Amino acid sequence: AAGVIQSPRHLIKEKRETATLKCYPIPRHDTVYWYQQGPGQDPQFLISFYEKMQSDKGSIPDRFSAQQFSDYHSELNMSSLELGDSALYFCASSLFQGFNEQFFGPGTRLTVL
Amino acid sequence: GQQVMQIPQYQHVQEGEDFTTYCNSSTTLSNIQWYKQRPGGHPVFLIQLVKSGEVKKQKRLTFQFGEAKKNSSLHITATQTTDVGTYFCAGWNYGQNFVFGPGTRLSVLP
Repeated sequence: AAGVIQSPRHLIKEKRETATLKCYPIPRHDTVYWYQQGPGQDPQFLISFYEKMQSDKGSIPDRFSAQQFSDYHSELNMSSLELGDSALYFCASSLFQGFNEQFFGPGTRLTVL
Repeated sequence: GQQVMQIPQYQHVQEGEDFTTYCNSSTTLSNIQWYKQRPGGHPVFLIQLVKSGEVKKQKRLTFQFGEAKKNSSLHITATQTTDVGTYFCAGWNYGQNFVFGPGTRLSVLP
């Protein structure tokens, strides 16, 4: 069965650079969620989209932005990267928002040097 | 804001022993979900509970949702080494915010 695809899987950036993470949800899933997980931490919800519209906003820094495109894939844009942005970034998708299980992608490990 | 807590933070058990993790929310939840994350892996959905007092079982795993819909528990009977990982509860409150608990990291000694 198709799963959530995230690219790249690993990314190394310097401080103050920008990064773009991509997420391709499971086909027919209309909701995408972005999470940030630091070492030994729980996933922190950043932002979600339902039917290409932002549906919920969590602890996403102002330096980050995201969008969902017409084909339902989503991109997380991160600017002015800081050392503290180093983390595992997960994308998850679900069918309808709210009360359905979320299927997580394998994550993108971002390292900021 | 809403807070979801889990206890214990860590649990080490001998293979064959039982294990329980507890999840408590500061606000009433519309539903609760449980996820398992293996070391180096991504969270994987285990189950969702919606009704007050609901109990669901999956083989050796028993999930319970409290009557007030503010707490939940996951109990594993006779743990196996394949149960190793971090177990997260996560829930939606009626303000439609989705929050993960901090997780309980389970180690199973063979």
